[in-house]
Amino acid sequence: DAGVTQSPTHLIKTRGQQVTLRCSPISGHKSVSWYQQVLGQGPQFIFQYYEKEERGRGNFPDRFSARQFPNYSSELNVNALLLGDSALYLCASSFARVGTEAFFGQGTRLTVV
Amino acid sequence: ILNVEQSPQSLHVQEGDSTNFTCSFPSSNFYALHWYRWETAKSPEALFVMTLNGDEKKKGRISATLNTKEGYSYLYIKGSQPEDSATYLCAFNNNNDMRFGAGTRLTVKP
Repeated sequence: DAGVTQSPTHLIKTRGQQVTLRCSPISGHKSVSWYQQVLGQGPQFIFQYYEKEERGRGNFPDRFSARQFPNYSSELNVNALLLGDSALYLCASSFARVGTEAFFGQGTRLTVV
Repeated sequence: ILNVEQSPQSLHVQEGDSTNFTCSFPSSNFYALHWYRWETAKSPEALFVMTLNGDEKKKGRISATLNTKEGYSYLYIKGSQPEDSATYLCAFNNNNDMRFGAGTRLTVKP
């Protein structure tokens, strides 16, 4: 069974552009969460989607949005990119909304220039 | 405590040493406490999920304990090996989100 897959693995964008990151969860997992990780810090929670509904939102501006599709895959969109959005974006899937193991993808490295 | 705090920030031990790290988290609105192992260029790997006060979990040479009343968890590694070198993250799960600490970077020297 495939693990959590994220695409693309690396991405370079210019300030002001928009980006879409994609995540496919482990088969059977209904929860997908997104995290931003910058060097020296732990992953920062952005969103959780469970059963196609937003169930949690971290302290990120409205430029960040996400959605979950009927097959439980998910997209993270970031508009009007800033230099400070450069980071590793991690997606994690789990069976339940809380209290079960979360399995991470390898991340998308976004560089904004 | 409002955020998740981990200590120490980094740790260097000799092969064969036993070691432990601390994770402190908010004691309110607790759902679960997670420990992850994160090697460079790999995905974070789940080690333990603990939900009940007093939980103790063990996987090989690694074990963890949980105190939800005082808001801390310990991760223990017995007889450290070079392949244990990684960043160990803890994450506190409440009803809304999962908050990670900054991690403890462990280096095990042969």
